[in-house]
Amino acid sequence: DTGVSQNPRHKITKRGQNVTFRCDPISEHNRLYWYRQTLGQGPEFLTYFQNEAQLEKSRLLSDRFSAERPKGSFSTLEIQRTEQGDSAMYLCASSSTSGSTYNEQFFGPGTRLTVL
Amino acid sequence: GQQVMQIPQYQHVQEGEDFTTYCNSSTTLSNIQWYKQRPGGHPVFLIQLVKSGEVKKQKRLTFQFGEAKKNSSLHITATQTTDVGTYFCAGASTGNQFYFGTGTSLTVIP
Repeated sequence: DTGVSQNPRHKITKRGQNVTFRCDPISEHNRLYWYRQTLGQGPEFLTYFQNEAQLEKSRLLSDRFSAERPKGSFSTLEIQRTEQGDSAMYLCASSSTSGSTYNEQFFGPGTRLTVL
Repeated sequence: GQQVMQIPQYQHVQEGEDFTTYCNSSTTLSNIQWYKQRPGGHPVFLIQLVKSGEVKKQKRLTFQFGEAKKNSSLHITATQTTDVGTYFCAGASTGNQFYFGTGTSLTVIP
């Protein structure tokens, strides 16, 4: 499978715990995005990387959220001291800045987070 | 901050009828993308529009980008049951921070 993969697919945690999600983009894609989606809403932009550089971060994003893409390949999203309001589907997408699929975002299946 | 609104929120149509969803941005966009998300699935890219007044067609789907680059529409001719899902527009103004619209959920009644 050469699509975007995300792990884990589901995560249940208790309030106050830290969680980390992983995204493996399509191998030749240099851009990687993180979004959050709640039921009945569109994906909400969190942050994006071009190669290993984090170029944009939502101003709405709490400092409890941090993302990395250390080698310009996979990325991790960490949420510290989770709150019930963090419960959502966390989506990763990747895209290329060249070729026939320029700027087209390919989404992964998402990680569903439930905070109890 | 930038906002992208879509109308209608829900649309029920008989199979064979046409469907249109509209997307409006509070700011001028550099480009706009459209995605389809099936229930339980993830967004799937449909099209990207970049030029003012641009019109693109994909079989029964027609996409338009407004002259002022602040609005867009998706029109489906003769809907089929396979068209069921939620359609999102996603606009970017500066940079590559995409703001997704609220989505239009399409139900097709056979």
